[in-house]
Amino acid sequence: QSVLTQPPSVSAAPGQMVAISCSGGSSNIGSSYVSWYRQVPGTAPKLLIYDNNKRPSGIPDRFSGSKSGTSATLGITGLQTGDEADYYCGTWDNSLSTGVFGGGTKLTVL
Amino acid sequence: QMQLQESGPGPVKPSETLSLTCIVSGGSISGDDYYWGWIRQPPGKGLEWVGTIHRSGTTYYSASLKSRITISVDTSKGQFSLELRSVTAADTALYYCARRPPYSSPPDMAFDIWGQGALVSVSS
Repeated sequence: QSVLTQPPSVSAAPGQMVAISCSGGSSNIGSSYVSWYRQVPGTAPKLLIYDNNKRPSGIPDRFSGSKSGTSATLGITGLQTGDEADYYCGTWDNSLSTGVFGGGTKLTVL
Repeated sequence: QMQLQESGPGPVKPSETLSLTCIVSGGSISGDDYYWGWIRQPPGKGLEWVGTIHRSGTTYYSASLKSRITISVDTSKGQFSLELRSVTAADTALYYCARRPPYSSPPDMAFDIWGQGALVSVSS
């Protein structure tokens, strides 16, 4: 049971947009920065978003992050078949004094 | 371009100690204000943070693994290591080493460079 809750799966058509949610609490998302990762099966995770809404160099602006209270959202616009992957949110939990990840969301581009 | 590469023993027997090393190449392990982390992923499951170490040797450990792990850094060799003691089948996972970038703001779980992962299987 993950401290951060993500929907197991989401789907959308090519060219459309999708939002993936990450729900937590005041001790984690509410008081720490959120990161987002994409993981294609068989490969290492790739950092998409850090500090809630910042993109590392090389990450296209189709990817965006936001945070409100104890929830965070990853937005992806202009969906491509290559976006099919598992997406994870992560943050620090100040009560547990540990890093935590969501359970992951599988994105299907129909 | 900095790269990370995990090396480890492969299969480990229950109750033994798992040891993994991450070799940092293409850059200095002591450079900037890097932190270095271990993240694991059981087969078919999600990510689990194991621990993080600063180049100074300051460590941060997962609450659930704290009693069994030690993470160390050897700046002269450009590598950092993980030891996980008294392993069980539940510790079977793909273990990744990763770099926390200096541009992200703590407290967070931002890791921008990852190794390819080392599969560790715990079995008798």
